[in-house]
Amino acid sequence: GAGVSQSPRYKVAKRGQDVALRCDPISGHVSLFWYQQALGQGPEFLTYFQNEAQLDKSGLPSDRFFAERPEGSVSTLKIQRTQQEDSAVYLCASSDNGGSYEQYFGPGTRLTVT
Amino acid sequence: AQRVTQPEKLLSVFKGAPVELKCNYSYSGSPELFWYVQYSRQRLQLLLRHISRESIKGFTADLNKGETSFHLKKPFAQEEDSAMYYCALRSYGQNFVFGPGTRLSVLP
Repeated sequence: GAGVSQSPRYKVAKRGQDVALRCDPISGHVSLFWYQQALGQGPEFLTYFQNEAQLDKSGLPSDRFFAERPEGSVSTLKIQRTQQEDSAVYLCASSDNGGSYEQYFGPGTRLTVT
Repeated sequence: AQRVTQPEKLLSVFKGAPVELKCNYSYSGSPELFWYVQYSRQRLQLLLRHISRESIKGFTADLNKGETSFHLKKPFAQEEDSAMYYCALRSYGQNFVFGPGTRLSVLP
């Protein structure tokens, strides 16, 4: 079956541009997570959705970062006025909330801000 | 604050040798610990979780609350075990904290 997909896989943005990153979770998965992974680091939690409700956004680094999941399926992470420090791999993961807490990760979007 | 540390950035062992990837955590509550693995050109995937007390691909990990550790062990390393390994802690709700990762290289 299809796993978690993310698009685009690579994105180059000029400093100050807005970007939108898309995540298609596994069908039927209730939970959806966004992480930011800087070079040489582990994934850092950004935000979490249960269906369409954003239950935790404590990891979003600034108000330039915004995430939504309006119909409880596809999610979009938007970054406004990108800065060089936003350069990272953005990972999306989904989980079926069966109590196992196993997260299925997408391939990531590599964002480079020049 | 919740924190996961993995002191080794890189660990090299010879095939057939025992391997131990270290993980320490700080968390005031009752922790749930996981090991995730990322093989070359593949996605991050769950390897094992402490509540299952299972052995996956020959790997085991025991939660030691006294030492706040969750080290990953395998008695005989194989070349196909070469990968990045991340220790992770589920804190409140669904907030997961990952360590910086250890790259395991198993030499022939």
